Amino acid sequence: GAVVSQHPSWVICKSGTSVKIECRSLDFQATTMFWYRQFPKQSLMLMATSNEGSKATYEQGVEKDKFLINHASLTLSTLTVTSAHPEDSSFYICSARDGDASSGNTIYFGEGSWLTVV
Amino acid sequence: DAKTTQPPSMDCAEGRAANLPCNHSTISGNEYVYWYRQIHSQGPQYIIHGLKNNETNEMASLIITEDRKSSTLILPHATLRDTAVYYCIVRLDNAGNMLTFGGGTRLMVKP
Repeated sequence: GAVVSQHPSWVICKSGTSVKIECRSLDFQATTMFWYRQFPKQSLMLMATSNEGSKATYEQGVEKDKFLINHASLTLSTLTVTSAHPEDSSFYICSARDGDASSGNTIYFGEGSWLTVV
Repeated sequence: DAKTTQPPSMDCAEGRAANLPCNHSTISGNEYVYWYRQIHSQGPQYIIHGLKNNETNEMASLIITEDRKSSTLILPHATLRDTAVYYCIVRLDNAGNMLTFGGGTRLMVKP
């Protein structure tokens, strides 16, 4: 299957600083990428949908000024958590749609990034 | 997207088949059934998907009932590494359409 890579796998940052997480589609072009957040023992919650070359669409309750998403190329989307606070500590996961006809619009996920804000 | 219902947890003996059910009684005619699994502290892994016909790949088989209101994911010979949370998702197979995750089934494969 298609490969989606996230970096970093884990990061610890001080409260008030900003952190950037990268999501790359390694062997396919992804016009659409999705960002999820998952708290311990809970399911994945969609944060935003990112389309290459345009503004992201945020889910209700997700602050767009706090979670900045950039999708500047067909293989890279970034999520920046600005002015991070301890309550932002979570597992952040990106996914990308492989739009090749043979894969049928299947969505593949990255390995996830653990963010701990201290 | 249609809502799905899965049992919260299941156990399976190593080497035996694991049959994971999913109810999606409100599924519409053009929605696909997708299965993903999430091993602890990793991103979800795509397993299989189908529309009407049963599907099989190197990981699993997907059996969809004729009325499409339910499906079963079959892992033919479960191993300890198959211990994970399994998510059944129904989704329009359109570009840009996201996946909405429910609670999933926590499968525990025991020696």
